[in-house]
Amino acid sequence: KNEVEQSPQNLTAQEGEFITINCSYSVGISALHWLQQHPGGGIVSLFMLSSGKKKHGRLIATINIQEKHSSLHITASHPRDSAVYICAAPDGLTFGKGTHLIIQP
Amino acid sequence: NAGVTQTPKFRILKIGQSMTLQCTQDMNHNYMYWYRQDPGMGLKLIYYSVGAGITDKGEVPNGYNVSRSTTEDFPLRLELAAPSQTSVYFCASSYSRFGNQPQHFGDGTRLSIL
Repeated sequence: KNEVEQSPQNLTAQEGEFITINCSYSVGISALHWLQQHPGGGIVSLFMLSSGKKKHGRLIATINIQEKHSSLHITASHPRDSAVYICAAPDGLTFGKGTHLIIQP
Repeated sequence: NAGVTQTPKFRILKIGQSMTLQCTQDMNHNYMYWYRQDPGMGLKLIYYSVGAGITDKGEVPNGYNVSRSTTEDFPLRLELAAPSQTSVYFCASSYSRFGNQPQHFGDGTRLSIL
């Protein structure tokens, strides 16, 4: 069974800091999904990537399929980035427990 | 563009009551999923469907039932509510399962069983 591990579980940072969230998985997969969940809110898709790097605004996601590792970076972090970030395999079954990010003003 | 719509958003049930959580999507996706999310835990798959008339169990199906009579709708039924079913429930849909198409999630249903 594929396992997805995220680190750190919790992260508190100051506004403007560069943020990195890591995701590693145990079984080979073709792609990885990054999701964002705001407090009390729904879940939105940020990226689905199978190789290299994708960028959307201040968010950057990278993946190394051979090393079974992906990272989500946030540049110039802002309090509105405070959320739970979840990585997931594309099978609809395997999700990390999430990284709870708080950006303090 | 509505995407995935879940109703209700909140519900309180008494032990032993039954209810149906509604989920509908307007993206013509074949795949639909139901998850529960408990504090500190990752999303757990309850049931999924690969198309109208086809459903299959996920990781935690006990105490739940589903049906898929149309492409758009995928309701989740709790027959005899138990306190262990207190959770936040998410419905999701996707064009494919193992490919590079992302899942789209509803806003969730917060369910308490007292």
